[in-house]
Amino acid sequence: QSVLTQPPSVSAAPGQKVTIPCSGSNSNIGSHDLSWYQQFPGTAPKVVIYQNDWRPSGIPDRFSGSKSGTSATLGITGLQTGDEADYYCGTWDSSLNAIVFGGGTKLTVL
Amino acid sequence: HLVQSGPEVKIPGASVKVSCKGFGYSFTTYGITWVRQAPGQGLEWVGWINTHLGFTDYAHNLQGRVTLTRDTSANTAYMELTSLRSDDTAIYYCARLTVANHQLDPWGLGTLVTVSS
Repeated sequence: QSVLTQPPSVSAAPGQKVTIPCSGSNSNIGSHDLSWYQQFPGTAPKVVIYQNDWRPSGIPDRFSGSKSGTSATLGITGLQTGDEADYYCGTWDSSLNAIVFGGGTKLTVL
Repeated sequence: HLVQSGPEVKIPGASVKVSCKGFGYSFTTYGITWVRQAPGQGLEWVGWINTHLGFTDYAHNLQGRVTLTRDTSANTAYMELTSLRSDDTAIYYCARLTVANHQLDPWGLGTLVTVSS
């Protein structure tokens, strides 16, 4: 059981938009910056959003992040088949003194 | 970037030590976090080390079995896990931690640790 809650899967058609929610509590999302990680099968995760809504260099502006209270959302527009991956949200939890992750969301681009 | 040591195969009850060497940045300016991923599962935080001062935090379920250390002269961090069990079988990743915003970037390629009799 993950501390942060994500849906196991989402899907959308190429060119469409998808959002992936991440829900937590006051001790994690409500108090600390959140990052989103993209992971392709057999590879290491890579950050696509950090500090709630910042994109690292090299990440297309089709990726966006937002946070409100104890929830956050990753948005991806103009979906491409190459976006198919697992996406994880992660942040610090000051009650657990630990980095916590969501269970991951598998994105399928139909 | 971060370069990790190679795959390990251990028998139950043994210990494993995985290394993670940082290149291209000031090693002690960032922390190092360890995250593991069991086959087909999600990401699980193992712990982190402040590479400048050496203090650590560990996941509660691994307390007493995991030790994180670092050698600043070699820009290398280490994770040692003792009393290995079959459910410790996983890919162990190190990642550079920006303490201010808890961002993990970049990540090492991962080290597969297999525990099997």
